[in-house]
Amino acid sequence: GAGVSQSPSNKVTEKGKDVELRCDPISGHTALYWYRQSLGQGLEFLIYFQGNSAPDKSGLPSDRFSAERTGGSVSTLTIQRTQQEDSAVYLCASSLSTEKLFFGSGTQLSVL
Amino acid sequence: SQQGEEDPQALSIQEGENATMNCSYKTSINNLQWYRQNSGRGLVHLILIRSNEREKHSGRLRVTLDTSKKSSSLLITASRAADTASYFCATDESAGGTSYGKLTFGQGTILTVHP
Repeated sequence: GAGVSQSPSNKVTEKGKDVELRCDPISGHTALYWYRQSLGQGLEFLIYFQGNSAPDKSGLPSDRFSAERTGGSVSTLTIQRTQQEDSAVYLCASSLSTEKLFFGSGTQLSVL
Repeated sequence: SQQGEEDPQALSIQEGENATMNCSYKTSINNLQWYRQNSGRGLVHLILIRSNEREKHSGRLRVTLDTSKKSSSLLITASRAADTASYFCATDESAGGTSYGKLTFGQGTILTVHP
């Protein structure tokens, strides 16, 4: 596609449920990033994939969070046993280098 | 405090005025970038300045970088109502000139331009 696509755009879930957020990066982009943005805040780094290298998971806030990137393309961020503090906008970005990231429109996650 | 702190947190100006936003950071960097965000969703890349550069221009944007003070500023000249958005700086941190491979974002400045 022409840009980074994220789905769903909005997700409402109940506390304790698992959720999966999807990101389709720009074709050919080797790097893929997940960030989280709480209301009115900056972006919090979660995880970074670069080609076939082991991902940088240093930003994942707990072991309830995991992500994978299949075939060097689509990525899924999974949050298990969701908590209310997980409510945020989850942003995905892809790039060819760290000099310019292309962002998707994000998934607004609301945990009730 | 975090890498990439920005001030002011919010800025309100009239159309035609200039807007200046500042960003401070703590570590060595390869480059510093500015992004714009409308309506709390996806960010759009505006401009990049490398660590060996001091000033860069792009249209109505002017960015400066002072690596000795670990700070940067973004100037938007002749602002328009359409410039209303949140602006974030992002740093490509490095060690020994090697990038960590990810961008660290600041908290952002909310700019409101009144018609």
